[in-house]
Amino acid sequence: DAGVIQSPRHEVTEMGQEVTLRCKPISGHDYLFWYRQTMMRGLELLIYFNNNVPIDDSGMPEDRFSAKMPNASFSTLKIQPSEPRDSAVYFCASSVGNSPLHFGNGTRLTVT
Amino acid sequence: GENVEQHPSTLSVQEGDSAVIKCTYSDSASNYFPWYKQELGKGPQLIIDIRSNVGEKKDQRIAVTLNKTAKHFSLHITETQPEDSAVYFCAARVDYKLSFGAGTTVTVRA
Repeated sequence: DAGVIQSPRHEVTEMGQEVTLRCKPISGHDYLFWYRQTMMRGLELLIYFNNNVPIDDSGMPEDRFSAKMPNASFSTLKIQPSEPRDSAVYFCASSVGNSPLHFGNGTRLTVT
Repeated sequence: GENVEQHPSTLSVQEGDSAVIKCTYSDSASNYFPWYKQELGKGPQLIIDIRSNVGEKKDQRIAVTLNKTAKHFSLHITETQPEDSAVYFCAARVDYKLSFGAGTTVTVRA
């Protein structure tokens, strides 16, 4: 079991650029979650999917953020255009039903 | 939505002593309470969890207690070791949404 895989591990970009974060959940897991971690706000749930369908996106901060899950083994979180306040660590997590969440090691995003 | 408060924010203990972290939650519909450990540069890792129909659970040196009436739950680590140094998060779940506390940085002094 390779665990949840996120890429890239680090991303540095300039304000205004588009950023795409990627996630491969654990095989067989039917729930996928995107979280953001900052010092000020801690771990915040952005959006989650069940069987590739977005269920709750109420945590997505602005229309600049979008997430997709085209198939059971891949999801993306896109920020367009990016702003310095988007700098954070973004985590993807997956689970089977209401079993415990398994987190990836995150993508550290820096927007200059 | 669910609001989880966690105390203390930092905790320093002597190796071999116990560490206790306390959390409260607001939504009485919460029914699942996991604890995660996060090391530098890594994602949170589950260390123990408890469901609402259980009052206490233990796994070797780690134990968790839950008081649903008071909406309190706590993590107890006994015989602490240097490798227990990390940030610990409590969380509470309503439906499939997990809300996290702000975290406790635990430092175990050798």
